[in-house]
Amino acid sequence: DAGVTQSPTHLIKTRGQHVTLRCSPISGHKSVSWYQQVLGQGPQFIFQYYEKEERGRGNFPDRFSARQFPNYSSELNVNALLLGDSALYLCASSFSEGEQYFGPGTRLTVT
Amino acid sequence: GQQLNQSPQSMFIQEGEDVSMNCTSSSIFNTWLWYKQDPGEGPVLLIALYKAGELTSNGRLTAQFGITRKDSFLNISASIPSDVGIYFCAGQKIRGAQKLVFGQGTRLTINP
Repeated sequence: DAGVTQSPTHLIKTRGQHVTLRCSPISGHKSVSWYQQVLGQGPQFIFQYYEKEERGRGNFPDRFSARQFPNYSSELNVNALLLGDSALYLCASSFSEGEQYFGPGTRLTVT
Repeated sequence: GQQLNQSPQSMFIQEGEDVSMNCTSSSIFNTWLWYKQDPGEGPVLLIALYKAGELTSNGRLTAQFGITRKDSFLNISASIPSDVGIYFCAGQKIRGAQKLVFGQGTRLTINP
């Protein structure tokens, strides 16, 4: 079975632009969570969506938003990009309340 | 943001040696998990712990959920080259709430 997939793999943006990152969960998983991992640190929780509803939000500014689609895939949007938004963005899926499985991530570089 | 205190930050060992790392918190977690992350990839789940005092093994890996629910440790026995990578502990305060709080990671390097 395919694992969690994310696109694109790498992305380079300029300050002030916006970006959309995409995630497809493992088949049958209904929950998707997003994490930001800055170089040298552990992942930080951004959002969780379950059955298309936001179930949790981390300590991130309103420039960060997300949504989940009827097929349980998800998008993470970041507006007005800052240099500090450069990071690996990870998506994790789980079946309901179970263990989370991570995708390979999208490496975002803001210049 | 909140992170767990993970130690050591890095380890340099000889192949065949045993490895021990731990994770502590000032607050209680109801689930502890251990992940391994290779360069350019996402974290891979190694072991999940759900009960205080629980000791769980996965091959050469053994992890324990501290009795106070504020700590956990991971042991790797007889290390091999493919064990190289960054190991993260993660805690979940509310079972079912998907927010994971991660440690800073332990970078394991093995000399053959």
